[in-house]
Amino acid sequence: GAGVSQSPSNKVTEKGKDVELRCDPISGHTALYWYRQRLGQGLEFLIYFQGNSAPDKSGLPSDRFSAERTGESVSTLTIQRTQQEDSAVYLCASSAGGNSGNTIYFGEGSWLTVV
Amino acid sequence: AQSVSQHNHHVILSEAASLELGCNYSYGGTVNLFWYVQYPGQHLQLLLKYFSGDPLVKGIKGFEAEFIKSKFSFNLRKPSVQWSDTAEYFCAVGGTYKYIFGTGTRLKVLA
Repeated sequence: GAGVSQSPSNKVTEKGKDVELRCDPISGHTALYWYRQRLGQGLEFLIYFQGNSAPDKSGLPSDRFSAERTGESVSTLTIQRTQQEDSAVYLCASSAGGNSGNTIYFGEGSWLTVV
Repeated sequence: AQSVSQHNHHVILSEAASLELGCNYSYGGTVNLFWYVQYPGQHLQLLLKYFSGDPLVKGIKGFEAEFIKSKFSFNLRKPSVQWSDTAEYFCAVGGTYKYIFGTGTRLKVLA
């Protein structure tokens, strides 16, 4: 696609429910990133995919968070048993290769509110 | 540990004023440096980047940044801001594959 596409753009969920956030990267981009941005804070790295594998999951905050990527394309970030502190914007980004010499392009984010 | 510090969290300027946003990083290796901007209601987009060569890099919309290796800094500058520059600005450092972002600076330009 022309840009990184994320869905849903907004999600309100009850505490304890599971949510799935989807990211469709730019076509041909092998690297995919998930970041989280809490209100008033910077971007927090969550996970990096190169192709379908995730060499760096170090930013996932707890075992309630998981992500997968299939077909070197779409990625899904899943948050189980959501908590209020999970409320944030979840940003997906992609780049042409797995080194920071490539520009990363961001989607518009998925705003998650846990009530 | 890798980190990026942006010391100015909120900046308010009048139109035509000069802008300088500070960015310092900590990283033990060769880095690539970026400034991203997020206009209200829009997604993050690249403003400029430094990989190598001339430490003074020019980006879109009249922005520039200077890489000073000895100070581990990559400050963003613009000689004369416009109301349309109102946005949040993020400095980022890229290592092998990971990009570390600062906490951002919210710039408000008064017309």
